[in-house]
Amino acid sequence: RKEVEQDPGPFNVPEGATVAFNCTYSNSASQSFFWYRQDCRKEPKLLMSVYSSGNEDGRFTAQLNRASQYISLLIRDSKLSDSATYLCVVNPGGGYNKLIFGAGTRLAVHP
Amino acid sequence: SAVISQKPSRDICQRGTSLTIQCQVDSQVTMMFWYRQQPGQSLTLIATANQGSEATYESGFVIDKFPISRPNLTFSTLTVSNMSPEDSSIYLCSVRGGGGTDTQYFGPGTRLTVL
Repeated sequence: RKEVEQDPGPFNVPEGATVAFNCTYSNSASQSFFWYRQDCRKEPKLLMSVYSSGNEDGRFTAQLNRASQYISLLIRDSKLSDSATYLCVVNPGGGYNKLIFGAGTRLAVHP
Repeated sequence: SAVISQKPSRDICQRGTSLTIQCQVDSQVTMMFWYRQQPGQSLTLIATANQGSEATYESGFVIDKFPISRPNLTFSTLTVSNMSPEDSSIYLCSVRGGGGTDTQYFGPGTRLTVL
């Protein structure tokens, strides 16, 4: 089983749609969680951290369910500029400094 | 945040040769990370480079193949040695943000093609 699993997509949605991405992680001791965005041929950039209580940043809402080891990202009112690959990222903790990246979910927003 | 630059941005190399990738950060950082992103795949950590000590390599990566230097707190190099076509990938340098956060920032990457 992969340490971080995501639906690869692609998700093809019209502008204005609401889309949700899911992610599961295998290490129950994982300490922190993130969503990164990667545009085509660009480096990943932090979109938002994911907190236990859930958090929102404009049109983006992230949620964490530790019991189910599940993370989600909801994008409301999709824009063309949201087209990218969204990477679920987990810090496994335990003294490790590394981040574990999911394979990414590709989103294509069309007019 | 941190501003990271990498050189070269891309290269095409012959098998059996080696390429050294440079990473420069605009601030002093304790740890620098080297990742690989193969076509269509996500990022895989190669090693963590601390200034003043040997790099720590992840499972599947060895120092002879990917020697790393970390001469100071703002600079690191990764060498891809004795290259084969399987080494064709994007290599990214990364640092952790300050203030105790574990947010990571990435350089623009080096796109390597081995013929």
